Amino acid sequence: DQQVKQNSPSLSVQEGRISILNCDYTNSMFDYFLWYKKYPAEGPTFLISISSIKDKNEDGRFTVFLNKSAKHLSLHIVPSQPGDSAVYFCAASSGSARQLTFGSGTQLTVLP
Amino acid sequence: DGGITQSPKYLFRKEGQNVTLSCEQNLNHDAMYWYRQDPGQGLRLIYYSQIVNDFQKGDIAEGYSVSREKKESFPLTVTSAQKNPTAFYLCASSMSIGVRPYEQYFGPGTRLTVT
Repeated sequence: DQQVKQNSPSLSVQEGRISILNCDYTNSMFDYFLWYKKYPAEGPTFLISISSIKDKNEDGRFTVFLNKSAKHLSLHIVPSQPGDSAVYFCAASSGSARQLTFGSGTQLTVLP
Repeated sequence: DGGITQSPKYLFRKEGQNVTLSCEQNLNHDAMYWYRQDPGQGLRLIYYSQIVNDFQKGDIAEGYSVSREKKESFPLTVTSAQKNPTAFYLCASSMSIGVRPYEQYFGPGTRLTVT
């Protein structure tokens, strides 16, 4: 039973355009959401996060939107750059244990 | 230079042998975690520890064991009971309190191949 789902395994975008990566979750107890970026054979690196009390968080070219009623969040990258090509994981957390539940990832390819 | 180190980067073992993966952090984080990643899948939690001398099973703990004798170290043993041990193993750590307690920092990973 996947509690965090990334339904698009891959996404290709032209350099300079917007990349939109989507994530859905089923557990209404999740109260904190994170996006990680991962290159092959490396550990994931933290990108941006959002608390459930907000609906938007922005950091430079990266913006995360949270729609709690739809249990949906998205990561927008504007403008996309070839160096953004990586696998992006959505993760969610709840409670004091601070465990993260990860989605299966979306491979983003930014074409020059 | 703070961070998480995992060694070795690549590890090969014969079926039936136990193997221990190392994870060390100098970030002064209280919590540490072990995940495995399989092709086309997300990260799945094996074990986690929020404090020294205490740890809890994650979603896929069967066939694995851990110890947390020091704050800096959280080694993972893959035992012969683990049916599909070949995978990419990632260690992570996080603060227990602070501005971003949920943000986990990851090591570079160890790719284990069992034949």
